[in-house]
Amino acid sequence: AQSVAQPEDQVNVAEGNPLTVKCTYSVSGNPYLFWYVQYPNRGLQFLLKYITGDNLVKGSYGFEAEFNKSQTSFHLKKPSALVSDSALYFCAVRGNTGGFKTIFGAGTRLFVKA
Amino acid sequence: DAGVIQSPRHEVTEMGQEVTLRCKPISGHDYLFWYRQTMMRGLELLIYFNNNVPIDDSGMPEDRFSAKMPNASFSTLKIQPSEPRDSAVYFCASSLVDRISNTEAFFGQGTRLTVV
Repeated sequence: AQSVAQPEDQVNVAEGNPLTVKCTYSVSGNPYLFWYVQYPNRGLQFLLKYITGDNLVKGSYGFEAEFNKSQTSFHLKKPSALVSDSALYFCAVRGNTGGFKTIFGAGTRLFVKA
Repeated sequence: DAGVIQSPRHEVTEMGQEVTLRCKPISGHDYLFWYRQTMMRGLELLIYFNNNVPIDDSGMPEDRFSAKMPNASFSTLKIQPSEPRDSAVYFCASSLVDRISNTEAFFGQGTRLTVV
């Protein structure tokens, strides 16, 4: 069965500092991995995805994520955080066998202080 | 394209009433997903369709919940009868999935359901 774990409920970082939001996954076969962001009272917005190829994936708003197969991780990173990055972040995984069910993690709230 | 459109944005209903949530996916997308978001359980996949056919409804919590997709541009999620514990934000999402790019899902703004 597919599963996604986001071990941190909240991440606090100062503006200008690098940020990391952690994600680990479990899936049969090769994973398709996604990061989404949710602002208050809004739907989820796609940030980036890993399908195949380079382990370092670059996405919207300066975010990037690194796929690590041996550690089954897909951590979200940004070199310099902005106050406007404060939001709820979701990691998601979809397997490439048995359908295209996308499972989301519990979410990590990022708080960037000025 | 206007994106995934959900209606209503907010719904307040009394326990025992029937509730119908609506979704219009992005034109050309062949997958449609219904999710429920609560503080306690996070984002749960309820059901998804491929080319209007339900593929996996294992996330539907009870028989009170039903979903249909009569055509490629419309889907409904119905709760009958509704209960206070059904209060949540319900999201619809659509995607175009192919073997090459396997694109991401696009989400609607959600319907905030409150059952009193």
